[in-house]
Amino acid sequence: DQQVKQNSPSLSVQEGRISILNCDYTNSMFDYFLWYKKYPAEGPTFLISISSIKDKNEDGRFTVFLNKSAKHLSLHIVPSQPGDSAVYFCAATQVGVSYGKLTFGQGTILTVHP
Amino acid sequence: KAGVTQTPRYLIKTRGQQVTLSCSPISGHRSVSWYQQTPGQGLQFLFEYFSETQRNKGNFPGRFSGRQFSNSRSEMNVSTLELGDSALYLCASSMNRDSGANVLTFGAGSRLTVL
Repeated sequence: DQQVKQNSPSLSVQEGRISILNCDYTNSMFDYFLWYKKYPAEGPTFLISISSIKDKNEDGRFTVFLNKSAKHLSLHIVPSQPGDSAVYFCAATQVGVSYGKLTFGQGTILTVHP
Repeated sequence: KAGVTQTPRYLIKTRGQQVTLSCSPISGHRSVSWYQQTPGQGLQFLFEYFSETQRNKGNFPGRFSGRQFSNSRSEMNVSTLELGDSALYLCASSMNRDSGANVLTFGAGSRLTVL
């Protein structure tokens, strides 16, 4: 049972444009969501997170939106840069319950073309 | 501030052998988690340790075990290796604040190949 899903295995965008990565979850107990970026031969790097009490969180070029009723979150990158090319994972957890456990999606490969 | 350090970075074993992987968390981080990443299953949670105690465990067989030392360093062990154990094993640490979410910081991983 895949509780966190990223239905797009890959996404290709032009430099300077917006990248939108999507993620759906099924477990309504999740109350904290995170996005990680991963380059080959490196571990995932934390990007941005959002609590279920919010519907939007911004950090520079990165914005995460949460739609609890639809159990959907998205990551917007504006403007996209070639250095953003990587695998992006969304993850979800239950604060105070799931010690150390993040449930990850399968990842989306983002390619930003110059 | 040094990041999460995992050793060895690469190793090759044969079926039936056992392997021990090591993880040094960020200084001050007392929670250490382990994950397995494979192309088919993605990132899967193995277990989490805090103050030398396992607090959470994923759905992996008993061949997968771990421990944490008093200095928060952690090791994981896989016994009787199978071909399907070939994967990238990732360690992550966090501050484990009492309230709020704890963001995990990952190491670069240990790439295990089982022949």
